Amino acid sequence: SQTIHQWPATLVQPVGSPLSLECTVEGTSNPNLYWYRQAAGRGLQLLFYSVGIGQISSEVPQNLSASRPQDRQFILSSKKLLLSDSGFYLCAWSLWGQDEQYFGPGTRLTVT
Amino acid sequence: QKEVEQNSGPLSVPEGAIASLNCTYSDRGSQSFFWYRQYSGKSPELIMFIYSNGDKEDGRFTAQLNKASQYVSLLIRDSQPSDSATYLCAVPNQGGKLIFGQGTELSVKP
Repeated sequence: SQTIHQWPATLVQPVGSPLSLECTVEGTSNPNLYWYRQAAGRGLQLLFYSVGIGQISSEVPQNLSASRPQDRQFILSSKKLLLSDSGFYLCAWSLWGQDEQYFGPGTRLTVT
Repeated sequence: QKEVEQNSGPLSVPEGAIASLNCTYSDRGSQSFFWYRQYSGKSPELIMFIYSNGDKEDGRFTAQLNKASQYVSLLIRDSQPSDSATYLCAVPNQGGKLIFGQGTELSVKP
């Protein structure tokens, strides 16, 4: 069966510091991968999605970036965090050709 | 731009009652629909999906789809306090993406 991991689970970072969040999927090959952000009390905002290694599509222009260095690894990064970057960051995967997505446990980021 | 609308709630029902959660969507061409449950502080979990008009039952959960009226519902029978969560409706968009509603918060009172 497939599993998805995210780390760290929680993170407190000062404004202006860099960020690196990691997501890995096990038990499947060539998944579609997604990064979402959920601000407190808000809905899910799609940030990036990837259909393959090195293929990243950005949904919202901002100071975040994403990379997919390996088939089942998805990384979310920032060079300088803003207060508005605080939120719950969720990684999700889906199989090619299927619409249903499965979420990882998430990373709760607080920028102070 | 496709849209998915849900009442934010909170929807409060007594334990043992039927909870009815509704979702409307803008794109008549949508073919599949998903319901996710999100407990407070946790990530969304896929609990139901439906592709065809009519009802789909899974245990205490029933998804109802009416394409002519462009709405999809989730019924939870014999509601339990453990069902208290936010329920998200989602519709596929192009490129393998999903469009999520804002979610409906359900509270089941003992």
